[in-house]
Amino acid sequence: DVQLQESGPGLVKPSQSLSLTCTVTGYSITSDYAWNWIRQFPGNKLEWMGYISYSGSTSYNPSLKSRISITRDTSKNQFFLQLNSVTTEDTATYYCARGLFSMDYWGQGTSVTVSS
Amino acid sequence: DIVLTQSPATLSVTPGDRVSLSCRASQSISNYLHWYQQKSHESPRLLIKYASQSISGIPSRFSGSGSGTDFTLSINSVETEDFGMYFCQQSNSWPYTFGGGTKLEIK
Repeated sequence: DVQLQESGPGLVKPSQSLSLTCTVTGYSITSDYAWNWIRQFPGNKLEWMGYISYSGSTSYNPSLKSRISITRDTSKNQFFLQLNSVTTEDTATYYCARGLFSMDYWGQGTSVTVSS
Repeated sequence: DIVLTQSPATLSVTPGDRVSLSCRASQSISNYLHWYQQKSHESPRLLIKYASQSISGIPSRFSGSGSGTDFTLSINSVETEDFGMYFCQQSNSWPYTFGGGTKLEIK
């Protein structure tokens, strides 16, 4: 069965970088699909952050401008999120998910708080 | 960005009721509209893709309809396990966007 699991620090200081890992089991991230990062703010609003495709190409939400980077380690079947220069507005639950148009598998989510 | 507006924000129903949730897009998105259910402290679960296509493992009481700008998720005979948040999402154009959600609660 396909499973995704997010990991990373739960607390990040303002102006620093947020780094998260998504570990995928049961499916190779180089086989097909896009591998996404999506976040949910307090109050339930969902925001698509970006993805890395099975071929390694990336696409990012313009709202995140140049702060975001999504990379991968195919040997470990993991992909990563880096978000730079965080502020308190980046406090959210971060999900990784599989899919190109609709998302059929999601991780359980990891809560990240930006606070000094 | 395409804005998705979901209504109502909250829907109070009794188990056994038939319910309809609405999602309206700010411009035509063909059938690139997907529905998710999210229960408290869980991740979203895909219910319907491409407006009306069923998903394996999802109960048949869930169905979707619509195209262009107006879409509906219907639940035929709501069960207690169906209570929670419902979100629509469009994949017609980047960046993909989500609606604000409808909370389905017990009356």
